[in-house]
Amino acid sequence: EVQLVESGGGLVQPGGSLRLSCAASGFTFSSYWMSWVRQAPGKGLEWVANIKQDGSEKYYVDSLEGRFTISRDNAKNSLYLQMNSLRAEDTAVYYCARDGTPFLFGGRFDYWGQGTLVTVSS
Amino acid sequence: DIVMTQSPDSLAVSLGERATINCKSSQSVLYSSSNKNYLAWYQQKPGQPPKLLIYWASTRESGVPARFSGSGSGTDFTLTISSLQAEDVAVYYCQQYFSSPLTFGGGTKVEIK
Repeated sequence: EVQLVESGGGLVQPGGSLRLSCAASGFTFSSYWMSWVRQAPGKGLEWVANIKQDGSEKYYVDSLEGRFTISRDNAKNSLYLQMNSLRAEDTAVYYCARDGTPFLFGGRFDYWGQGTLVTVSS
Repeated sequence: DIVMTQSPDSLAVSLGERATINCKSSQSVLYSSSNKNYLAWYQQKPGQPPKLLIYWASTRESGVPARFSGSGSGTDFTLTISSLQAEDVAVYYCQQYFSSPLTFGGGTKVEIK
């Protein structure tokens, strides 16, 4: 059974940093692009970043202005999101999501974690 | 960036009736060489992550009931629930994966009338 379990969320002050993790199991993690998608309270979905199977390609939504870094450790079946210079508008549930096409880039998300809540507030 | 616009924002449908959700992209998401539309639909129930329903605009994900269907091409797409069930109450999102950044529509909330 495919499982994605996020962790690392919490309350952080504006300007602070946080590192999210996503533990993957039940599939060959190294065969899939992976993404982070966020959802502000009561709002819609926003794709944040994705990373290729071997980590050699990474893409981000423009609005992040270089504050976030996506990474992965295939030996640990884990995906990460380092978030720096956090702002109130980064408050959201952050989901880890698997790309729907193994070995290639698909762009649709066939499995999602339950999400981890990040709250940026003083 | 490709902007995805959904309509309506919400709709109330009687049990057993048809629900229709529209999604329009600001540019075509049809890849001509493959003749595939890079368009997906998701269902999100309260307190849950999104669930993939449809991809390639009209291909149903494994396990998704046949009452869900997707149609359209180019810039205009539709998700249809042919006979609304109580468990279909949710917010539905379209998403394009034609180009980066990947973008979602604003969502359509489906309720029971």
